[in-house]
Amino acid sequence: DAGVTQSPTHLIKTRGQHVTLRCSPISGHKSVSWYQQVLGQGPQFIFQYYEKEERGRGNFPDRFSARQFPNYSSELNVNALLLGDSALYLCASSYSGSFGEKLFFGSGTQLSVL
Amino acid sequence: ILNVEQSPQSLHVQEGDSTNFTCSFPSSNFYALHWYRWETAKSPEALFVMTLNGDEKKKGRISATLNTKEGYSYLYIKGSQPEDSATYLCAFNNAGNMLTFGGGTRLMVKP
Repeated sequence: DAGVTQSPTHLIKTRGQHVTLRCSPISGHKSVSWYQQVLGQGPQFIFQYYEKEERGRGNFPDRFSARQFPNYSSELNVNALLLGDSALYLCASSYSGSFGEKLFFGSGTQLSVL
Repeated sequence: ILNVEQSPQSLHVQEGDSTNFTCSFPSSNFYALHWYRWETAKSPEALFVMTLNGDEKKKGRISATLNTKEGYSYLYIKGSQPEDSATYLCAFNNAGNMLTFGGGTRLMVKP
């Protein structure tokens, strides 16, 4: 069975550009969440989606947006990139989005902003 | 902003040693506490999700305990092996719509 897949694995952008990151959850999982991980820190929550609706949003500016599609895959969009957006972006899926469930993570997209 | 602290930040042990590390979290409005293992170049992998005060979970040589009243969880590894080398992350949820991670404990097991 395929796990959570993310694309691309690596990405280099320049300041001011826009980026779209993609995530496909485990088959049957209806919830996707996004995390930003900066070296030396734990992952920080960005968004959670369940059944195509935003269920939670972390403390990130409006430059960050996301959506979930009918097949439960998800996109994270970041506009007007800043140097500080350089990080590993992790996607995780779960069946119902309850925090009493384990999350299943993808391998992440490493974003470098120059 | 919820504060989830893990200690120590890093730990070097010899193969065969047993070890433990701590996750501290707010003691009010507890809902769930997660532990993940994150090996280099791989995805974080769930170890345990605990929801009840006094919960104890075990998976092979790894076990975890939970005290929600005082706001801490311990992760124990018995007889550490080199393949246990990884970063161990805990994450806390207070029934809100987010999971707050600690900074992780980086474990290195020397053969």
